[in-house]
Amino acid sequence: DAGITQSPRHKVTETGTPVTLRCHQTENHRYMYWYRQDPGHGLRLIHYSYGVKDTDKGEVSDGYSVSRSKTEDFLLTLESATSSQTSVYFCAISEGLPTDTQYFGPGTRLTVL
Amino acid sequence: EDKVVQSPLSLVVHEGDTVTLNCSYEVTNFRSLLWYKQEKKAPTFLFMLTSSGIEKKSGRLSSILDKKELFSILNITATQTGDSAIYLCAAHDEKLTFGTGTRLTIIP
Repeated sequence: DAGITQSPRHKVTETGTPVTLRCHQTENHRYMYWYRQDPGHGLRLIHYSYGVKDTDKGEVSDGYSVSRSKTEDFLLTLESATSSQTSVYFCAISEGLPTDTQYFGPGTRLTVL
Repeated sequence: EDKVVQSPLSLVVHEGDTVTLNCSYEVTNFRSLLWYKQEKKAPTFLFMLTSSGIEKKSGRLSSILDKKELFSILNITATQTGDSAIYLCAAHDEKLTFGTGTRLTIIP
């Protein structure tokens, strides 16, 4: 398995609170991604990073921000969580090109009450 | 807008049967088609297909791509209960666009 960990694995929070999810990799891969997975929608890209301090938006980026200060860590922040952000969040990594195979972390289940 | 459609949405078969899962795609600058298996955790990579007509095979699983008709199939022969999972396909241009998956259930 690719060396990807996510923390926390489960979180319950209340509407309006800030939440940060962490993705950590030991593969030294250039690209890192955040997806959310919801029934009926499949996996949808939130944000991605193509290097330290280099990030870009995906198709469902509203309400989310990201940061990457080190190659191995990619943080996803919900500034003010809403119930519509209840989901399973997956981090993925790929090696050197955006078209390289993406490998997924174990996921974080987030519930916003 | 890029789109990936998988069929059927769900499938229930008996152990030992052969199944075929379908994936059609419309993406602007197609590079590759990927298949993943998802059990109760992260999607795990199965195949990447870039060329038409060349079958990729791994044990009882195989997959092929048709770039003219814009689809791919995933075949599983002699199914086992461990094959029960959601199978995802994704089309790659500058990013991955995923289908919603096929839920496969194998009955012993």
